[in-house]
Amino acid sequence: DAGVIQSPRHEVTEMGQEVTLRCKPISGHDYLFWYRQTMMRGLELLIYFNNNVPIDDSGMPEDRFSAKMPNASFSTLKIQPSEPRDSAVYFCASSQGQGRYFGAGTRLSVL
Amino acid sequence: AQSVSQHNHHVILSEAASLELGCNYSYGGTVNLFWYVQYPGQHLQLLLKYFSGDPLVKGIKGFEAEFIKSKFSFNLRKPSVQWSDTAEYFCAVSWGRGGADGLTFGKGTHLIIQP
Repeated sequence: DAGVIQSPRHEVTEMGQEVTLRCKPISGHDYLFWYRQTMMRGLELLIYFNNNVPIDDSGMPEDRFSAKMPNASFSTLKIQPSEPRDSAVYFCASSQGQGRYFGAGTRLSVL
Repeated sequence: AQSVSQHNHHVILSEAASLELGCNYSYGGTVNLFWYVQYPGQHLQLLLKYFSGDPLVKGIKGFEAEFIKSKFSFNLRKPSVQWSDTAEYFCAVSWGRGGADGLTFGKGTHLIIQP
């Protein structure tokens, strides 16, 4: 298996633009997680899905953030409009039960 | 609120030194415990995990961790570190049985090994 695949690896955008991050989980995994990593706050769970249904989105910072999982093999995290404080590395992870398998992350820079 | 504390934010050691990184979590009940490592420029990798059974868990790359329930701790250890162990180490905890409930991560410990 290729593991969890995220795209793009790097994204540079200007404040106010819409940003879409993509994730392909490991086939057969029924949980998908979105995390954000910053120096100040460390790793934070934003939202997670079980069988494509959002279970807990309490970590989503504000309404500018939205996540979807239209099918078992694809998820998006969208920020609209983006702000400089959204600059971070965003990780997607999937699992089947315990443990997590992480993607390589998307480094987002909002100028 | 559930929380995970890693008290050492930065650790600098010489090669061959012994390592112990602390991890404490906020309260008991059924817990599932993890250590992840992030090498420079790379993504997170699972080092080891504890669900139940023997509280001394052995992971990859010579790492081990001990779950001490009475101390709410899950410290990571390695008897002799190498330069290639330079990385960021994250402790993570999930509470409750089964499933893949959200993990709570510590803020991480930046480990630097000097040759």
